[in-house]
Formats: sequence, structure tokens, C-alpha cells
Amino acid sequence: DVKVTQSSRYLVKRTGEKVFLECVQDMDHENMFWYRQDPGLGLRLIYFSYDVKMKEKGDIPEGYSVSREKKERFSLILESASTNQTSMYLCASRPTGGGQPQHFGDGTRLSIL
Amino acid sequence: EDQVTQSPEALRLQEGESSSLNCSYTVSGLRGLFWYRQDPGKGPEFLFTLYSAGEEKEKERLKATLTKKESFLHITAPKPEDSATYLCAVLFPSGGSYIPTFGRGTSLIVHP
Repeated sequence: DVKVTQSSRYLVKRTGEKVFLECVQDMDHENMFWYRQDPGLGLRLIYFSYDVKMKEKGDIPEGYSVSREKKERFSLILESASTNQTSMYLCASRPTGGGQPQHFGDGTRLSIL
Repeated sequence: EDQVTQSPEALRLQEGESSSLNCSYTVSGLRGLFWYRQDPGKGPEFLFTLYSAGEEKEKERLKATLTKKESFLHITAPKPEDSATYLCAVLFPSGGSYIPTFGRGTSLIVHP
């Protein structure tokens, strides 16, 4: 079974801090994604990566950056955390080709105080 | 403008009361439609992939069907353990790739 592991289940940070969310997948998938999930808004794509060192903006990239130095690891960075970035963050991976589904981690619930 | 629309937003059923969830989409040349189940505090769990109109997939009490513009997730004789949020996602072209776009989900509660 594919395993996508997010480093923290819960995280509390203060406004202005630089925050790192880590995600690791064990199935050699080319594509990795970061979403945030808010009540009533569903999953919104922040960034995705289709290869090492490659990244593409999603629908809501403002205030975020990403890093993919190794194929299995995709990091989401909040450069200067703000209260409106309090949310559930979900990482996913999927292989390239065909209609392959995504596999998700269990999420990081991030609170910015 | 939403490209993937799910309805209803919320659904309450009695145990054994069958119903259907809807996912409509606006893309030409469908490359794949996915159904996921999400339990509170967990990530979405993959259920089905559908590719072409007329296709059907089944798993226990769930059956997913696909037409040219929408998909249905039929739940037959649901049990309380079927309570969850059900998400639909469709592959949309983005640059040279295809990216899943999600609907907002249907929250299902099944009462014993």
C-alpha cells in the first residue's frame, strides 16, 4: 500500500513565524501536491510538483512556497505565518500516466495564533 | 466558477435508506473522475476511478456510475459506518499535465 506521511498531525505557531510542513511518500510517485481544506471550501490546491526541483502554482499559492529536493519529499513553507493560514493541510502523491488516483496523508492541522 | 459541483452538501439518512450523491463537472474529454471517502481528522481515502460514460464500479454498499456530464455515488442500505464526507475529483488539463480538481464534498450521516 502507498504510504504518504506528514510530519505533524497538529501544529501551533505564532504570526510572523516561518513554518515548515513536511511530506514523504514511499511509492516513487512523480507527482506531489499540497492542499488546504477549510469548512465549506473543500480542498484547494496550493502547489504541486511533477518532478524533483520542479514546482507549479495551484489555485491559492500566495503566502506559501514549496521545496522538492528529493523525489520522495515535498515541503510546504509558510514564509511569514498569518492567522488566515490556520487550516488543515493535506499532502498527496500520484504517479504520472493515465487516470491514476492521488494518495493522501492524514493531514496537519495548523493553528496560527 | 466551480468546475466540479457536488450535491447535496449534506445528507442525513436512516440506516437502510438508500440514496445517491451527485458530482457534475464541466470538462471536455474526461481523463478520469475519482471518488474518495474522508473520515473526520483523516485524509481522503480512494474509492473508485471512472473513465468513460456508462462505466460502473462497485464496492460493498457503494456503486459509482458515470455519464458525460455527471457521476453518481449510489449507497444501498447504508449503515452508520458509512457516515463520512464523500469527495469527487476530476482531472483537468493544466499546462502539459492533468491536475485533479475537487468538489466541495457531501457530508453523509447515517442514523441507526
